[in-house]
Amino acid sequence: DVKVTQSSRYLVKRTGEKVFLECVQDMDHENMFWYRQDPGLGLRLIYFSYDVKMKEKGDIPEGYSVSREKKERFSLILESASTNQTSMYLCATLGTIEQFFGPGTRLTVL
Amino acid sequence: GESVGLHLPTLSVQEGDNSIINCAYSNSASDYFIWYKQESGKGPQFIIDIRSNMDKRQGQRVTVLLNKTVKHLSLQIAATQPGDSAVYFCAERAGGYQKVTFGTGTKLQVIP
Repeated sequence: DVKVTQSSRYLVKRTGEKVFLECVQDMDHENMFWYRQDPGLGLRLIYFSYDVKMKEKGDIPEGYSVSREKKERFSLILESASTNQTSMYLCATLGTIEQFFGPGTRLTVL
Repeated sequence: GESVGLHLPTLSVQEGDNSIINCAYSNSASDYFIWYKQESGKGPQFIIDIRSNMDKRQGQRVTVLLNKTVKHLSLQIAATQPGDSAVYFCAERAGGYQKVTFGTGTKLQVIP
């Protein structure tokens, strides 16, 4: 079974703080993704990575950056957190057809 | 069905009845369509997929129908159970391309 883990289930940060969200997978998948999920808006792609050190912007990359130094680890970085980044953040990998998701990190920015 | 905006469509179904969740997709070049189930507090989980060269695919208690003429996808759940209560997302993917586009989701409530 593919396992995708995220470093925190719940996180509370203050405006202006730098925030790191970590995601680790154990199935040697090439592609990894970061989404944010907001009520009624579904999943929106922030960034994805198709290989180590490779990344591509998704639909809403503004205010975020990513890092993929090792194949199994994909980090999402909020350089200066703002209240409109309060959301559920989901990491995923891509198998042959379907994606495998982590449990999510609910981030609150005060 | 699914909609763009802040309101999540909700489908309420009596336990034991069949459920039909609808989805409209946008990209006629998509060749994979996938349904995910997201239970409260968890990430989405794969249910079933269908390729664009098919119009029907069956799994255990679930059937997906694809109508490419009107770009419509549906998920049918037979004999709905309380454990089916969740938010259901459709997703489309163009083959060989990593990016997946998700619908906004439909909440299924099963009434015991």
